[in-house]
Amino acid sequence: GIQVEQSPPDLILQEGANSTLRCNFSDSVNNLQWFHQNPWGQLINLFYIPSGTKQNGRLSATTVATERYSLLYISSSQTTDSGVYFCAVTQTGANNLFFGTGTRLTVIP
Amino acid sequence: DADVTQTPRNRITKTGKRIMLECSQTKGHDRMYWYRQDPGLGLRLIYYSFDVKDINKGEISDGYSVSRQAQAKFSLSLESAIPNQTALYFCATRGGDIKDTQYFGPGTRLTVL
Repeated sequence: GIQVEQSPPDLILQEGANSTLRCNFSDSVNNLQWFHQNPWGQLINLFYIPSGTKQNGRLSATTVATERYSLLYISSSQTTDSGVYFCAVTQTGANNLFFGTGTRLTVIP
Repeated sequence: DADVTQTPRNRITKTGKRIMLECSQTKGHDRMYWYRQDPGLGLRLIYYSFDVKDINKGEISDGYSVSRQAQAKFSLSLESAIPNQTALYFCATRGGDIKDTQYFGPGTRLTVL
């Protein structure tokens, strides 16, 4: 099956700092999503972004499908951004999402 | 009201017991999924269903079974629970378009002693 690798595995930021999270995948995909899991375990979809760039407030994401990676940018981080960020992909021709192991972000005041 | 609900939210059980986790959704989606999450790992797919008559195994279906009682309900059963099934379990739904996002329930934390 497809491999999904995320880096870094852990990240600690001072409030107000910016960060970039990376997702590499091993095969062509027709679906890529970024999720945030908050400290209470709730999973929220951030972006559907199989290619191109999208922005939503302080968050933006870019996927370069031909080079098989996606980046999630967090600007002016806040303590509420803490949690685990997952990248999930659907391999072209398949039906289901495969999740990476996540990046755990801790934003300290 | 939440779009995807799971019951129970927490459960402690003993090895060998049968347990059922239930999921209900009000999104009107045909597609429903069960995942498990272990510490430090991403979510892994256990079973999925594209409609009431369609059930499919995911990556890690051994030791689990499911039932799709209606479009809105998808249950996960552990016939004989074992300690390595201790995990956080998520139900999710999705619309039929590949662009549709997945909506997750709040999770069920299961501990098997």
